[in-house]
Amino acid sequence: GENVEQHPSTLSVQEGDSAVIKCTYSDSASNYFPWYKQELGKRPQLIIDIRSNVGEKKDQRIAVTLNKTAKHFSLHITETQPEDSAVYFCAASTNQGGKLIFGQGTELSVKP
Amino acid sequence: EPEVTQTPSHQVTQMGQEVILRCVPISNHLYFYWYRQILGQKVEFLVSFYNNEISEKSEIFDDQFSVERPDGSNFTLKIRSTKLEDSAMYFCARRTGSDMSGYTFGSGTRLTVV
Repeated sequence: GENVEQHPSTLSVQEGDSAVIKCTYSDSASNYFPWYKQELGKRPQLIIDIRSNVGEKKDQRIAVTLNKTAKHFSLHITETQPEDSAVYFCAASTNQGGKLIFGQGTELSVKP
Repeated sequence: EPEVTQTPSHQVTQMGQEVILRCVPISNHLYFYWYRQILGQKVEFLVSFYNNEISEKSEIFDDQFSVERPDGSNFTLKIRSTKLEDSAMYFCARRTGSDMSGYTFGSGTRLTVV
């Protein structure tokens, strides 16, 4: 069935360093890949997304890359700040129905 | 984009009781979803609702669950006979575009079954 694997489950970095989170997906029909940031007790908030017709997308300190052949995509956060600390989820969708299949999440901790 | 609000924010119920979770207000949106998140785990898809009909549901969404849009604005998730393992955060979501634009999660309801 559809599955999204996410690694690592926890990630600790020093403020100012970069953080990279990786996901792989199983459904080759997937064509939409959002990333969500979730703070404790709050809703998932979309931080960036990428569609299958694009290989890379950047928004200030955040970038996402997509390798359709290998069926994996990654989130890159540069110049990390303590307020980046949260759980990050990747997700994949075939767009048609709109359901999102989520990865297991990565707890990012940025130490000042 | 206006926020997607859910009520109640927290509900405690006894095992076997029925609960109704609400997603309000919704207007001019065609695509709705319910997700759940057990504490410390990933977000899981429950059901999608398009044009006032269920369009897809997961294995989790069994006969104990139902969804409705009773008055054209509210979007509800009903659990008929709650079990301890139904304890989770429940999020509704909506999207405004067929291209996945405007995909926003609601504020969430924390359901605790005792």
